Amino acid sequence: KAGVTQTPRYLIKTRGQQVTLSCSPISGHRSVSWYQQTPGQGLQFLFEYFSETQRNKGNFPGRFSGRQFSNSRSEMNVSTLELGDSALYLCASRKRWGGTYNEQFFGPGTRLTVL
Amino acid sequence: EDQVTQSPEALRLQEGESSSLNCSYTVSGLRGLFWYRQDPGKGPEFLFTLYSAGEEKEKERLKATLTKKESFLHITAPKPEDSATYLCAVVDQTGANNLFFGTGTRLTVIP
Repeated sequence: KAGVTQTPRYLIKTRGQQVTLSCSPISGHRSVSWYQQTPGQGLQFLFEYFSETQRNKGNFPGRFSGRQFSNSRSEMNVSTLELGDSALYLCASRKRWGGTYNEQFFGPGTRLTVL
Repeated sequence: EDQVTQSPEALRLQEGESSSLNCSYTVSGLRGLFWYRQDPGKGPEFLFTLYSAGEEKEKERLKATLTKKESFLHITAPKPEDSATYLCAVVDQTGANNLFFGTGTRLTVIP
């Protein structure tokens, strides 16, 4: 079974630009979460989508947004990039949202560098 | 607010030298504690889920245990390929349902 895939794997942008990252979950998984990982803050939760609806949101500014499609694939968008947005962006999928917690499986991440 | 503290930050072991990593947590009702392994430049790889105090899980040279305040990841006779950052995360009962991570323990196993 294929794992979580993320595209692109690496991205370089300049301040003020916007970026869109893509995530395809494991087949059969309907929930997708996004995390930001930086050396200083570690792994921090951005948001989670299930059935095309945002279910939870972390403590990030509105410049960070996402969406989920009917096939469970998800995208996240960061507008007006800042230097501090440089990070590894990780996508994780699990079978469902709510109820007894089910394990999340992570993709390889997208390394975003903002110059 | 949930808190997860991992210690030590970094650990160097000789091959075959067993040790333990610690994850202490403060959460409003634990729904699950998770251990992940992360290699440089890669996403975290799921290892274990523990749900209640007293629970233990094993996988090859790794054994995870859980008490009401902390979890241990015991590494028996480690090999160089066990070198990685080990992350601990919790999910609480607030309904937010997201993983709250510690900052990890960077393990290096020297041949």
